[in-house]
Amino acid sequence: EPEVTQTPSHQVTQMGQEVILRCVPISNHLYFYWYRQILGQKVEFLVSFYNNEISEKSEIFDDQFSVERPDGSNFTLKIRSTKLEDSAMYFCASRGGTLYQPQHFGDGTRLSIL
Amino acid sequence: LAKTTQPISMDSYEGQEVNITCSHNNIATNDYITWYQQFPSQGPRFIIQGYKTKVTNEVASLFIPADRKSSTLSLPRVSLSDTAVYYCLVGFTGFQKLVFGTGTRLLVSP
Repeated sequence: EPEVTQTPSHQVTQMGQEVILRCVPISNHLYFYWYRQILGQKVEFLVSFYNNEISEKSEIFDDQFSVERPDGSNFTLKIRSTKLEDSAMYFCASRGGTLYQPQHFGDGTRLSIL
Repeated sequence: LAKTTQPISMDSYEGQEVNITCSHNNIATNDYITWYQQFPSQGPRFIIQGYKTKVTNEVASLFIPADRKSSTLSLPRVSLSDTAVYYCLVGFTGFQKLVFGTGTRLLVSP
């Protein structure tokens, strides 16, 4: 069964450094998402992306965050200057173009900010 | 997006059938009901989705009464590996974001 893959599985970064989280969505999917989950808390929406542009973003997704689909297969989340509170699991999800198709998630990147 | 209410936790034993009920009193006409499963340190995994009556796949069944104000996820003959958090989500699952609640933590014991 096709799946969403994310790399790295664990990223440790010094506060203030830039980090890029990578995702390879399912190949024929058209809609892409990033979510995050702080330890012990709910899964929270960050951003959705379609047709090479952001379609919706949450309050969490401030100017320090950006997303890109650089080459038609990868989907990346960049955090420009990381803060301690950015420590969380980050999940990428994708879905197909047909209405009512569910989102499929990757297994996440655990981001630890020191 | 319709608000959902589900039990915080449930306990079961291997081999038993588990039913997790979700209340969604303000479900809208074009809302679908979707269930996800999440293991620790993994992403949510899609289990099943439905609009009305009953939907069954290889892992679960979803029962939705005529008024659609609640739904029940049924897991037949659970095993230890079904220990996870189960999320009920209700909304127009077009291209919108998903809004997760706290889910139901299911613990399956030997």
